[in-house]
Amino acid sequence: TQLLEQSPQFLSIQEGENLTVYCNSSSVFSSLQWYRQEPGEGPVLLVTVVTGGEVKKLKRLTFQFGDARKDSSLHITAAQPGDTGLYLCAGARGTYKYIFGTGTRLKVLA
Amino acid sequence: SAVISQKPSRDICQRGTSLTIQCQVDSQVTMMFWYRQQPGQSLTLIATANQGSEATYESGFVIDKFPISRPNLTFSTLTVSNMSPEDSSIYLCSAAGGDYGYTFGSGTRLTVV
Repeated sequence: TQLLEQSPQFLSIQEGENLTVYCNSSSVFSSLQWYRQEPGEGPVLLVTVVTGGEVKKLKRLTFQFGDARKDSSLHITAAQPGDTGLYLCAGARGTYKYIFGTGTRLKVLA
Repeated sequence: SAVISQKPSRDICQRGTSLTIQCQVDSQVTMMFWYRQQPGQSLTLIATANQGSEATYESGFVIDKFPISRPNLTFSTLTVSNMSPEDSSIYLCSAAGGDYGYTFGSGTRLTVV
């Protein structure tokens, strides 16, 4: 059973557009992470959110943790081709142990 | 964050054989984990590699099939035993703890023929 559902599963957009990726669960998590992965590489950690309602910004990326700590969103402003990759959310299931979401494959066209 | 060296990066193996994947971290880390990933899809946690003791396996994974060692705080191995084509996948190690954040190796792409 997949505990973390991401939507959309695939997304292809033009450079300059905005987008939002969602990560939803029926479970409460003590913290949640977002990763980006490129082909042939391991996932790279973008952010960790730990407080319900928390918002973190990383340049053009905005991450929000739901008030109930069951969901999260990633918003990208003015997407660039370099943002292309597989985006994964991951919820904490113990000390340092994370369960990964279903993934969102993003392609940004120049 | 810590830097992880994982090898081999890829291998093609005959069914029935075993492959050992190595993961070396450049600094001592609290926790090490092993994941499996189908290309372009999500990661599934196989087990937590415990230093000096038996690994803790997730549901659906057993020690006889995926023996894991972690002799010290910087090194771990995962063996995929008695391989079948269904074991073809990408295997990733990760490390976490303290000031080191959470880091992944670049993965081992395994093809079983």
